[in-house]
Amino acid sequence: QITLKESGPTLVKPTQTLTLTCTFSGFSVNTGGEGVGWIRQPPGKALEWLALIYWNDDRRYSPSLRSRLAITKDTSKNQVVLTMTNMDPVDTATYFCVHKLDRVDWFDPWGQGTLVTVSS
Amino acid sequence: SYVLTQPPSVSVAPGKTARITCGGNNIGSKGVHWYQQKPGQAPVVVIYDDSDRPSGIPERFSGSNSGNTATLTISRVEAGDEADYSCQVWDRSSDLPAFGGGTKLTVL
Repeated sequence: QITLKESGPTLVKPTQTLTLTCTFSGFSVNTGGEGVGWIRQPPGKALEWLALIYWNDDRRYSPSLRSRLAITKDTSKNQVVLTMTNMDPVDTATYFCVHKLDRVDWFDPWGQGTLVTVSS
Repeated sequence: SYVLTQPPSVSVAPGKTARITCGGNNIGSKGVHWYQQKPGQAPVVVIYDDSDRPSGIPERFSGSNSGNTATLTISRVEAGDEADYSCQVWDRSSDLPAFGGGTKLTVL
């Protein structure tokens, strides 16, 4: 059974850098075909895909946020880390960690999500 | 980027059939995936690759995709089906995913 859980700050100030950690079990991101990504959802709004990293270190980023994002993996800890620089109040959202196989086009399962508020 | 359009809301009486659409340019050529999200919970896949159901998802949930519209159909709607439903595709031209704006299903 695959599970993922997000962790990180619940409150960040504008201009700060957000660092979120996804800790997962039930698979290894070292195994061929495996991938982990991040998707966010502002309150009452639509899902927005952010970034994805695969077993072979192939990384994908949302074009609109590419300059602010970095995704890395730590296979020894079963973790994937997302950093987002220069946070703004519009980045207030629930951030979800998701599992993806490179041979399929959907995300399954999802972590429970973590709400990050950007405010001074 | 590839744009997916969903109606903001759909209402249906219990026991009736709900249809939620997802529009996109030639979406029929892409695989469409549907997520159900109940308040305070993470999204769950209810349909993948247009019409396949993951294990554990009731047969009442079905999907179709043709032309410029994909449709999620929920038959014999129950109160527990009330949720937000979002469609998603993988855009081959950019090799990136795209999500629809989501549809709130209300069971009257």
